[in-house]
Amino acid sequence: EAQVTQNPRYLITVTGKKLTVTCSQNMNHEYMSWYRQDPGLGLRQIYYSVNVEVTDKGDVPEGYKVSRKEKRNFPLILESPSPNQTSLYFCASSLNWGETQYFGPGTRLLVL
Amino acid sequence: DQQVKQNSPSLSVQEGRISILNCDYTNSMFDYFLWYKKYPAEGPTFLISISSIKDKNEDGRFTVFLNKSAKHLSLHIVPSQPGDSAVYFCAASVEGYQKVTFGIGTKLQVIP
Repeated sequence: EAQVTQNPRYLITVTGKKLTVTCSQNMNHEYMSWYRQDPGLGLRQIYYSVNVEVTDKGDVPEGYKVSRKEKRNFPLILESPSPNQTSLYFCASSLNWGETQYFGPGTRLLVL
Repeated sequence: DQQVKQNSPSLSVQEGRISILNCDYTNSMFDYFLWYKKYPAEGPTFLISISSIKDKNEDGRFTVFLNKSAKHLSLHIVPSQPGDSAVYFCAASVEGYQKVTFGIGTKLQVIP
């Protein structure tokens, strides 16, 4: 089954404790992206990647890092989480830029 | 600065009637537009898209209209069904650029 998986689905952590949210897709997609969804702000793009080792900032990259060492994986790293990063995070992938994106189920993060 | 605006946070429609969801954009460079649907506790799923070379695209009960001069697009759902109750996101992008900009979403409730 074609899918995008994210782990963990729920995470509670404390300020400053590094964490990684994993994202994996099994569709051999070139393009992957991370979004956060906040009330009244919709979906905002954090980072995207157009291929292995090629990543770029979206609209809200501050406080986040990403890597794309393999085509299928695109982890989101919070080196020093802060409460304002409490949000619902979605990973997405598509075959190419501009094509339909397939979203993962979301990761709900609470930073205390 | 919200480049993609969905000014109606919510909409209620009777089953069988037409649902019209609206989206305005400010960036005249946008040339590809998409609608995504999102159920609670799930990631967004692609619904329908339209390129700026068209003014209408239809897929079953769903039709998207694009008015480039007004920088406005709308999603029509006819007839509306209770299963259409979800949050609908409008998204836009520019060919050659990998960023995708989403609106804040409109919550549609279809009343049986």
